[in-house]
Amino acid sequence: EAGVVQSPRYKIIEKKQPVAFWCNPISGHNTLYWYRQNLGQGPELLIRYENEEAVDDSQLPKDRFSAERLKGVDSTLKIQPAELGDSAVYLCASSSPVGWNEQFFGPGTRLTVL
Amino acid sequence: DQQVKQNSPSLSVQEGRISILNCDYTNSMFDYFLWYKKYPAEGPTFLISISSIKDKNEDGRFTVFLNKSAKHLSLHIVPSQPGDSAVYFCAASSGNTGKLIFGQGTTLQVKP
Repeated sequence: EAGVVQSPRYKIIEKKQPVAFWCNPISGHNTLYWYRQNLGQGPELLIRYENEEAVDDSQLPKDRFSAERLKGVDSTLKIQPAELGDSAVYLCASSSPVGWNEQFFGPGTRLTVL
Repeated sequence: DQQVKQNSPSLSVQEGRISILNCDYTNSMFDYFLWYKKYPAEGPTFLISISSIKDKNEDGRFTVFLNKSAKHLSLHIVPSQPGDSAVYFCAASSGNTGKLIFGQGTTLQVKP
């Protein structure tokens, strides 16, 4: 069984530039999560999707961050414009309808904003 | 406000000995707790979990203990192996929300 796929793995951009991250969850997993992990910290939830619906986006900075999961499978997280403080690892995770408590994480995208 | 805290940034143990990783929480509404392990350049992987109705859950070399009155949980690894060297995160959730609150992580080094 393929795991959660994320791309790119690394991204370096200058501040004020836009950036996008892509995630393909495990097949059959209807719940998808985006987390941000700052250096020396644990992951923090940004947004959670149940199929196409964003059911929890309370932690998403909506002035510059956006996300979509149009067909209830792949998802894209965008930052526009990026700020220095956005440098972090962005993790995507997914879980099955009966196994919400076991979230499977992708390898993450390490973003560096210069 | 850090609702889940792992106060030890790092831990070093000898191969074959016991590793004990600790985690404290402040929110009494948390009813499910998990431990994740993370290797460099990989995402966290689920290790073991415990519901608040239990005080112990065991899976092979890994045991999680929950002390609700102290709002404290611990992960015991016996015996520790060099391959256990990783960053360990505890996480908590309340209700079936799927929203996990993670601690800062503890880096475990198991020396051969």
